[in-house]
Amino acid sequence: AQSVTQPDARVTVSEGASLQLRCKYSYSGTPYLFWYVQYPRQGLQLLLKYYSGDPVVQGVNGFEAEFSKSNSSFHLRKASVHWSDSAVYFCVLSASNTNKVVFGTGTRLQVLP
Amino acid sequence: GGIITQTPKFLIGQEGQKLTLKCQQNFNHDTMYWYRQDSGKGLRLIYYSITENDLQKGDLSEGYDASREKKSSFSLTVTSAQKNEMAVFLCASSIGDTQYFGPGTRLLVL
Repeated sequence: AQSVTQPDARVTVSEGASLQLRCKYSYSGTPYLFWYVQYPRQGLQLLLKYYSGDPVVQGVNGFEAEFSKSNSSFHLRKASVHWSDSAVYFCVLSASNTNKVVFGTGTRLQVLP
Repeated sequence: GGIITQTPKFLIGQEGQKLTLKCQQNFNHDTMYWYRQDSGKGLRLIYYSITENDLQKGDLSEGYDASREKKSSFSLTVTSAQKNEMAVFLCASSIGDTQYFGPGTRLLVL
């Protein structure tokens, strides 16, 4: 069975600081991995995705994520956060060749001015 | 670009009431989804549909019905609302593995 774990329910950082949001997955096959962001009272928006190739993928608004098969991880990073990055971030696993999608429980990011 | 519209934005119901949520997409995507979002629990799949008139149960289908009469629309029915239930229902459509989400319908049952 597939699963996604986001161990940090809440993360608070100061504006301008660097950020890492953690994501661990469990899946025996080839994972397709995504990070989505949910701003207040809005739906989810895709930040970035990884299918194969270069383990570091770039996304919108300066976000990037690194896939590690050995660690079963797909951590999200940003070099310098802005207050507008405050939102809930979801790590998502899609099992290859199926419609099965598994969401993590989300990490609520608060950026202090 | 396209857009996903969910109606209503807010829904207040009574215990035992049947409630219907609607979703429209103009991406021309084949696959559509309904998720339930509860605080601290991420998103859980209720139903999905890979084409018009198709329905597939997700992990949380009990207590819900769905309908995909047209490619562009996907409806979800709460068959009997539970007292004090509070959740956000998110509709999505997809091309390949990338999903696009609507803004959600917020449900409160009194």
